[in-house]
Amino acid sequence: DTEVTQTPKHLVMGMTNKKSLKCEQHMGHRAMYWYKQKAKKPPELMFVYSYEKLSINESVPSRFSPECPNSSLLNLHLHALQPEDSALYLCASSQDENSNYGYTFGSGTRLTVV
Amino acid sequence: GQQLNQSPQSMFIQEGEDVSMNCTSSSIFNTWLWYKQEPGEGPVLLIALYKAGELTSNGRLTAQFGITRKDSFLNISASIPSDVGIYFCAGQLSNTGKLIFGQGTTLQVKP
Repeated sequence: DTEVTQTPKHLVMGMTNKKSLKCEQHMGHRAMYWYKQKAKKPPELMFVYSYEKLSINESVPSRFSPECPNSSLLNLHLHALQPEDSALYLCASSQDENSNYGYTFGSGTRLTVV
Repeated sequence: GQQLNQSPQSMFIQEGEDVSMNCTSSSIFNTWLWYKQEPGEGPVLLIALYKAGELTSNGRLTAQFGITRKDSFLNISASIPSDVGIYFCAGQLSNTGKLIFGQGTTLQVKP
């Protein structure tokens, strides 16, 4: 299995809703990442998990809450989002945080906040 | 902070033409990567380069890692309509693994 699987593929939520994005990989990778991507822009790093511990938080607002239940799963909990948070949310993984063999990306969750 | 300057920003070409895009940086990278992203999908790795001066091909794609470790180019030969997408270069910093993205090159191919 050489894939990163993200669910759901599309999500529409209101500003008072609570929802979660899920990411799964079975490549034995020990680093997992959340990225936010706006249209026609490069992905922007949000969080890095290394060996199931939060390693980097790129000053992301607390309405985004990551969670890494085990080495294969990564969640992103969403609460009280704003319309400007609408974007493609990408999960990625790599062998470990210091690996120089690139990242494998999932297909993303297209999030629309109304 | 580290930045990658990717050019051109966009290209509109005729099917069958060759394409070239490049990235430069003031920082030295351990690894250069080229990704392609199609609408509604995540970036897909096309080519990874690990050694200065390395020239690597993947089908009609050819990429090179600059001698100074500060630049890379990607060539696509004999373009076809399915080459349409956004191409991102990305560099990984030495000893950290952190991925730095270029701004992307949007490629459109006219049949």
